[in-house]
Amino acid sequence: AQSVTQLDSQVPVFEEAPVELRCNYSSSVSVYLFWYVQYPNQGLQLLLKYLSGSTLVKGINGFEAEFNKSQTSFHLRKPSVHISDTAEYFCAVSDPIIPGGYQKVTFGTGTKLQVIP
Amino acid sequence: DAGVTQSPTHLIKTRGQQVTLRCSPKSGHDTVSWYQQALGQGPQFIFQYYEEEERQRGNFPDRFSGHQFPNYSSELNVNALLLGDSALYLCASSLEQEDYEQYFGPGTRLTVT
Repeated sequence: AQSVTQLDSQVPVFEEAPVELRCNYSSSVSVYLFWYVQYPNQGLQLLLKYLSGSTLVKGINGFEAEFNKSQTSFHLRKPSVHISDTAEYFCAVSDPIIPGGYQKVTFGTGTKLQVIP
Repeated sequence: DAGVTQSPTHLIKTRGQQVTLRCSPKSGHDTVSWYQQALGQGPQFIFQYYEEEERQRGNFPDRFSGHQFPNYSSELNVNALLLGDSALYLCASSLEQEDYEQYFGPGTRLTVT
């Protein structure tokens, strides 16, 4: 069974400083990995995804993540954060495509990023 | 291109009542998934609809039911509401062959008193 662990429930960081949000997963098969962002009172927006290929994935808003199969991790990074990055970030994992089947998506519990002016 | 829309945005109900939430998928999408997001938690999968049928279901009781219409829009129904049903209900749409890549609506905030 899939599971996702986001190790930090809250991460405070000063504006223009770098940030890393940690995500570890467990799955018995190869996986697809995602990061979503949720601004207050809004739905989730896809930041980036890893399906296959290069382990370094670039997403929107200057975020990137690195897939590390040996450590079963998919940490999210940004070299310089802005006030507007204050939001909650969710890591998610899905099984690869099964033709005609359902790809279950499992979410972590989220990390609240608080950017301090 | 309209994204995923949900209605209503907020709803207050009393224990024991029934509620219906609505979702219109992103243009071109044929699959709709529903999630419950309790305060401080990540989204929990309720069920997914494709071709007007429930294709997969998460660990939710039968009080939670749904429907998908020929135009791919969907409804989530919850009967006999409990206080614990208070949450943000998110709808996500996708293409059947790529249903891991989901586009989320803004959600409906349900409060049960």
